[in-house]
Amino acid sequence: DTEVTQTPKHLVMGMTNKKSLKCEQHMGHRAMYWYKQKAKKPPELMFVYSYEKLSINESVPSRFSPECPNSSLLNLHLHALQPEDSALYLCASSQGTGGGYEQYFGPGTRLTVT
Amino acid sequence: AQSVTQLDSQVPVFEEAPVELRCNYSSSVSVYLFWYVQYPNQGLQLLLKYLSGSTLVKGINGFEAEFNKSQTSFHLRKPSVHISDTAEYFCAVRGSGGSNYKLTFGKGTLLTVNP
Repeated sequence: DTEVTQTPKHLVMGMTNKKSLKCEQHMGHRAMYWYKQKAKKPPELMFVYSYEKLSINESVPSRFSPECPNSSLLNLHLHALQPEDSALYLCASSQGTGGGYEQYFGPGTRLTVT
Repeated sequence: AQSVTQLDSQVPVFEEAPVELRCNYSSSVSVYLFWYVQYPNQGLQLLLKYLSGSTLVKGINGFEAEFNKSQTSFHLRKPSVHISDTAEYFCAVRGSGGSNYKLTFGKGTLLTVNP
């Protein structure tokens, strides 16, 4: 099974809402990532988890809060977002964080902030 | 730090024609190189990767790429494209050191295959 799943596929939320994005992998990978992708742009790294611990935060605003409850799950909690946060949010996983490890991407959650 | 330049933002071709998508990188250390494809409204799928060894790398869906260290290039090729190859293609680079976690993407090339 080389699949990364993400739920929901689409999410519309108001600026005062709290919502969460979920990502799951069953490949035994120990590194998981959140990316943000705006239309017609490459993915931008947000967070990296290694062995369930947050190892990298790419200066992401605190209205985005990641959580890794166990080695297979990664959540992204959203609160008080802005319309400019509307984007495709991609989750990825890899065996490790070293350079040669392939990252497997999920299909993404299309987020619209109204 | 690494950077990636994809020289063409859009490449239109006719079905069954050959195609080359160009990618150049810059890095002060040895690198690993990747090509990803993104179909509309989907995530990214790995086409192929270069880690070491043979400079000609074969991937899925009939794609191949050649690593050229002297020209710091990793161009993607396919001898005959199909309509279904229409997608965005991203070249990406990662440093080869143990703590090089960051995958740096190029801006992408939109390949449009016309009948």
